[in-house]
Amino acid sequence: ETVLTQSPATLSLSPGEKATLSCRASQSVTTNLAWYQQKPGQAPRLLIYGASNRATGIPHRFSGSGSGTDFTLTISSLEPEDFALYYCQQRSDWMFSFGQGTKLEIK
Amino acid sequence: QVQLQESGPGLVKTSQTLSLTCTVSTGSTSSDDYYWSWIRQSPGKGLEWIGYIYYIGSTFYNPSLKSRVTISEDMSKNQFSLKMTSVTAADTAVYYCAASPMVRGTVTPHFAYWGQGAQVTVSS
Repeated sequence: ETVLTQSPATLSLSPGEKATLSCRASQSVTTNLAWYQQKPGQAPRLLIYGASNRATGIPHRFSGSGSGTDFTLTISSLEPEDFALYYCQQRSDWMFSFGQGTKLEIK
Repeated sequence: QVQLQESGPGLVKTSQTLSLTCTVSTGSTSSDDYYWSWIRQSPGKGLEWIGYIYYIGSTFYNPSLKSRVTISEDMSKNQFSLKMTSVTAADTAVYYCAASPMVRGTVTPHFAYWGQGAQVTVSS
C-alpha cells in the first residue's frame, strides 16, 4: 500500500502570501496524484488532478507540480476563502489512498 | 455536472449491517461514462477509500474492508449502494459517495464529484 505523507501539518500564513504544501509518496505514483480542499461541514473539492491539471472552475492561483514521489500544491496569493484543509490523494495499482491533510490557517 | 446525494440510517447498531444509497444525476451524460465510489472520513483515520463500481457491476474494494463490503448499482434508478456488515464503533464516520469520469474505458485516478456526505454512527 502506498502511504502519502503531507507536510506541514499546519501552515499559518496571511492573505496575499504564497502557500506551499508538500505531499510525499512512499513509492512512485507517477503523476496519479490529486489535491482536494475541504472546508468545515463540506465534502472535499477536487482542485488538481494528474499532479498539475486544474479541475474545472479552480482559480489560476492554485497550481500543482511534481511526479514520482514528491508533489507540491502552490497557492500563489492567498485569498480569505483559501484557508481550509488540503489533502493529497493517489492511485497506484487499483488502490486509492489519501494523505493525512495540511491545515492552512490564518496567521 | 454530476450531482450525488447519500441517504440511509444515521444510526446503526454494533454487529449489524450499514446500508447507504447514493442517488445520482448526470445531466445529459451517460452514467456509463463514470465510475462510482464510496469514501469515508473519521477523525481517527482521516479519508479512507472504501471501493468503487463501474460498467456491468465490476467492483474493486479496499483490501482492509473487502471481507465486509459490497457495492452495487442500479442505474435504471440512478442509484448505487454500499453495504457493510458486522459494523463496530470504528466504522463511525461521514460516508461520501463520489463520481469520476471514465476515459477511453479507463478509471481516472481521482474523485471529481462528491455528495455532501452522510454521518453514520455505530452504537450498541
